Amino acid sequence: DAGVIQSPRHEVTEMGQEVTLRCKPISGHDYLFWYRQTMMRGLELLIYFNNNVPIDDSGMPEDRFSAKMPNASFSTLKIQPSEPRDSAVYFCASSLGMGRGPTEAFFGQGTRLTVV
Amino acid sequence: KQEVTQIPAALSVPEGENLVLNCSFTDSAIYNLQWFRQDPGKGLTSLLLIQSSQREQTSGRLNASLDKSSGRSTLYIAASQPGDSATYLCAPQTGANNLFFGTGTRLTVIP
Repeated sequence: DAGVIQSPRHEVTEMGQEVTLRCKPISGHDYLFWYRQTMMRGLELLIYFNNNVPIDDSGMPEDRFSAKMPNASFSTLKIQPSEPRDSAVYFCASSLGMGRGPTEAFFGQGTRLTVV
Repeated sequence: KQEVTQIPAALSVPEGENLVLNCSFTDSAIYNLQWFRQDPGKGLTSLLLIQSSQREQTSGRLNASLDKSSGRSTLYIAASQPGDSATYLCAPQTGANNLFFGTGTRLTVIP
């Protein structure tokens, strides 16, 4: 398996524009996580899905952020409208649930977002 | 909310030394704990996963221990190499399926 695949790797956009980040989890994994990493706050969980269903979106900072998982092999994180303070590296991770919850998490290479 | 602290924040050692990275967490009701490394500008690479029922896990030159009751984990790296230079992140996982990350230890191994 190629691992968790994210696209694009880098995104530069102007304030106010819509940004869509994409993620393909490892085949067979039933948990998918979106994280954001900044120097100030480190890694923060934004939202996670189990079997394509959003379970906890309490980490989503504002209504400008939305995430979807239309099928087991694809997820998107959308920011509309984008703001400079959204600049960060966004990571997608997936894991295989066993019993009471997910096990080892595998991360993608991240999308570095810069909003100017 | 789970608070994760990693000490030291940065560490510089000569090649060949053995070293220990420390991680402490406030909520001992964890499901497992995972250690990652992150290279500059890269994603996170999983190194070791310790289940809450385990006390340690080994992979090559790496050994991670877990003392769940005291809220501590250590990552031991034997015979360090320049290629080990990276940021190491500790992440306990709660029953809510959330990995809480520390701020990491930035390791530099000097040739």
